[in-house]
Amino acid sequence: DTEVTQTPKHLVMGMTNKKSLKCEQHMGHRAMYWYKQKAKKPPELMFVYSYEKLSINESVPSRFSPECPNSSLLNLHLHALQPEDSALYLCASSLGGYTDTQYFGPGTRLTVL
Amino acid sequence: AQSVTQLDSHVSVSEGTPVLLRCNYSSSYSPSLFWYVQHPNKGLQLLLKYTSAATLVKGINGFEAEFKKSETSFHLTKPSAHMSDAAEYFCVVSDRNYGQNFVFGPGTRLSVLP
Repeated sequence: DTEVTQTPKHLVMGMTNKKSLKCEQHMGHRAMYWYKQKAKKPPELMFVYSYEKLSINESVPSRFSPECPNSSLLNLHLHALQPEDSALYLCASSLGGYTDTQYFGPGTRLTVL
Repeated sequence: AQSVTQLDSHVSVSEGTPVLLRCNYSSSYSPSLFWYVQHPNKGLQLLLKYTSAATLVKGINGFEAEFKKSETSFHLTKPSAHMSDAAEYFCVVSDRNYGQNFVFGPGTRLSVLP
């Protein structure tokens, strides 16, 4: 099974809302990633968790708050977002080495009004 | 620092003709190289990867790529395009200096004409 699942598929939220994105994998991977992808652009790395600890934070604003409750789950908590945060949010997982394939979920399409 | 150049932002081919998507990379160390495909409003799917074994790599759906160190290239080819190949294609580099940090190229949109 090489599947990464993400919920919800679509999310519309106002600038004062609090919401969460969820990601799950059962491949035994120890590294999990959040990416942000704007239209017609490549994915941009936001966060990396390695062995459930945050190992990379690419200077992401604090209105995005990641959480890794266990090795299979990854959350992204959203609060006080701006319209420019509207994008496709992709989760990925891998064994963690630089030669290892990252397996991507289908993404959550986020619209901030 | 790592970087990836995809020389064509858009490639258009007729169904049944060959596909060539170009990728050049910069890396300080022996890199790993990947090609991913993304269909509209979908996640990314791995087509193939190079990790210092055979320089000619075969992937899914008839795609293959050749690693050429002297040219710092990793071009993606397919002998005969199918309508379902229409999508965005990303070339990705990683190396041991940057660990888990994938560096994506800007992407090439492939259109397949009937």
